[in-house]
Amino acid sequence: GDSVTQMEGPVTLSEEAFLTINCTYTATGYPSLFWYVQYPGEGLQLLLKATKADDKGSNKGFEATYRKETTSFHLEKGSVQVSDSAVYFCALLKAAGNKLTFGGGTRVLVKP
Amino acid sequence: NAGVTQTPKFQVLKTGQSMTLQCAQDMNHEYMSWYRQDPGMGLRLIHYSVGAGITDQGEVPNGYNVSRSTTEDFPLRLLSAAPSQTSVYFCASSDRRGLGNTIYFGEGSWLTVV
Repeated sequence: GDSVTQMEGPVTLSEEAFLTINCTYTATGYPSLFWYVQYPGEGLQLLLKATKADDKGSNKGFEATYRKETTSFHLEKGSVQVSDSAVYFCALLKAAGNKLTFGGGTRVLVKP
Repeated sequence: NAGVTQTPKFQVLKTGQSMTLQCAQDMNHEYMSWYRQDPGMGLRLIHYSVGAGITDQGEVPNGYNVSRSTTEDFPLRLLSAAPSQTSVYFCASSDRRGLGNTIYFGEGSWLTVV
């Protein structure tokens, strides 16, 4: 079946450091790919998405490129802030609707 | 601008008790679903619905019931709570416009079964 694998956390960084969170997937067909973010004590928010190969999703300084050849959707940010401390989830969607397949989540802690 | 509303936000249950987690959306979305979030496991799909009167099982349906009598509401019922159901529950909704459609999540319901 479909699956999403993320690097395990926690990832601890200093402010203004470069952040990469690796995400790879296994799925038949052509899924859409998503990154969700969960801030402490809050629900899930869509951070960015890409619906086809070579698409780049971007939002709030975060970027991720849909790489079909490596089945990856790595999340990057060039200069993190303390406010970026959160849990990040990679997910895929194969059919219209909302049956998402999630990775295990990566906790990121940014220290001043 | 309500979006997806879940209640209650926090609940403590005793083993064997029953309860219903409520979910309502005001966006006229056809699709609604329930996920549970457990440490290191991401979110896993419990049940989903593609429209009023239609429900189906997801990845981890055991111990949970759902119904979809209206487009707006999708309650999740725990018939006899067990400690293994201690988790954070998220309701989600979306329309049926295809793979790029945005999925909206509620703020979550933190459930503890003792």
